[in-house]
Amino acid sequence: RKEVEQDPGPFNVPEGATVAFNCTYSNSASQSFFWYRQDCRKEPKLLMSVYSSGNEDGRFTAQLNRASQYISLLIRDSKLSDSATYLCVVKGGPDNQGGKLIFGQGTELSVKP
Amino acid sequence: EAQVTQNPRYLITVTGKKLTVTCSQNMNHEYMSWYRQDPGLGLRQIYYSMNVEVTDKGDVPEGYKVSRKEKRNFPLILESPSPNQTSLYFCASRYNRNSNQPQHFGDGTRLSIL
Repeated sequence: RKEVEQDPGPFNVPEGATVAFNCTYSNSASQSFFWYRQDCRKEPKLLMSVYSSGNEDGRFTAQLNRASQYISLLIRDSKLSDSATYLCVVKGGPDNQGGKLIFGQGTELSVKP
Repeated sequence: EAQVTQNPRYLITVTGKKLTVTCSQNMNHEYMSWYRQDPGLGLRQIYYSMNVEVTDKGDVPEGYKVSRKEKRNFPLILESPSPNQTSLYFCASRYNRNSNQPQHFGDGTRLSIL
């Protein structure tokens, strides 16, 4: 079983659609959680951190369920510019894998006009 | 401007010819990593370094070496490259291993080993 698993893609959606990405992780000792965005084989960039209480940044909402070891990202009113690959990322604590970031394989999103 | 710089961006070479991919960061970060990215496998950590002269293996270290003689530089060395090391490579840094601040990535190096 992979340490971080994401929905297989690609997701093809029309502009304005709401799209949800799901992610599960296997290590219950994981401490921090993130969503990164990667455009067309460029470098990944942090989209947002994910907090236990859930957090929102404009059209983006991230949720964490520690009991289920499940992370989600919701994009509302999707734009053409949201087309990218979304990476679910989990970080161990300092005594757990030395704080390593573990990346999911990514889910590709394509937003069409 | 805060950045991670890696060179070269693209390299086509032949099996067995030693090569080095350089990585430099200007943010005084302690923690640096090398990743490779392959279709369907995502980003996998090759080596990481928690500080000067402190390096350790990641998930896929075979065939690679690194060094961390200075805080800003973290070169990746392929002593005898093979075709299965054809991949997209990223260097990354963050403040330290505990930090939840964003991990900064270089632009990537696309290596083709013939």
